[in-house]
Amino acid sequence: DSGVTQTPKHLITATGQRVTLRCSPRSGDLSVYWYQQSLDQGLQFLIQYYNGEERAKGNILERFSAQQFPDLHSELNLSSLELGDSALYFCASSEEAGEGTDTQYFGPGTRLTVL
Amino acid sequence: QKEVEQDPGPLSVPEGAIVSLNCTYSNSAFQYFMWYRQYSRKGPELLMYTYSSGNKEDGRFTAQVDKSSKYISLFIRDSQPSDSATYLCASAYMDSNYQLIWGAGTKLIIKP
Repeated sequence: DSGVTQTPKHLITATGQRVTLRCSPRSGDLSVYWYQQSLDQGLQFLIQYYNGEERAKGNILERFSAQQFPDLHSELNLSSLELGDSALYFCASSEEAGEGTDTQYFGPGTRLTVL
Repeated sequence: QKEVEQDPGPLSVPEGAIVSLNCTYSNSAFQYFMWYRQYSRKGPELLMYTYSSGNKEDGRFTAQVDKSSKYISLFIRDSQPSDSATYLCASAYMDSNYQLIWGAGTKLIIKP
């Protein structure tokens, strides 16, 4: 158990809908990262927050947004969902801002299915 | 061309064999190299990391980086069925937007 929690575990929704994924980092970790993992794309970095502020941005679509709250939990919002958004969404956390050997600890993931 | 390339496999070997997993990368600025292991339906977990070139050993696992050929390897000795998982390599370099660049992962199957 990495200490990172994600809810819900599974989510089934329809195209055009909006969903929110939630992540609680390990106690004391200041950074939260969001990843998308699909069969044909591997693990894709979406976005990182550090102590409430956006720190790095990867291949995140404009339909997706995230935030990190004062208690350091984070939410990933996915809107106008398309079939191709079906994937595993992972949250990871690390102690600091992510430089050097700052280890990322992954949560169990949320499996999103868009029908 | 992806910055980190990894053969997706699957790679199937008998129990007890030495396993060699490999990645190549294109960005010569990469300084940090990691191997993560991901069991089915679980999140990735860090196995090993190395900085710059050379070898690093941890039990049955050895990570090797050859910066001259931009080649990253993970060796598993005395492989066990419990080693069956997907192994992801990741690389990064130090700058203000430090982030990991991931390989696609290699699925490893250890046959009893």
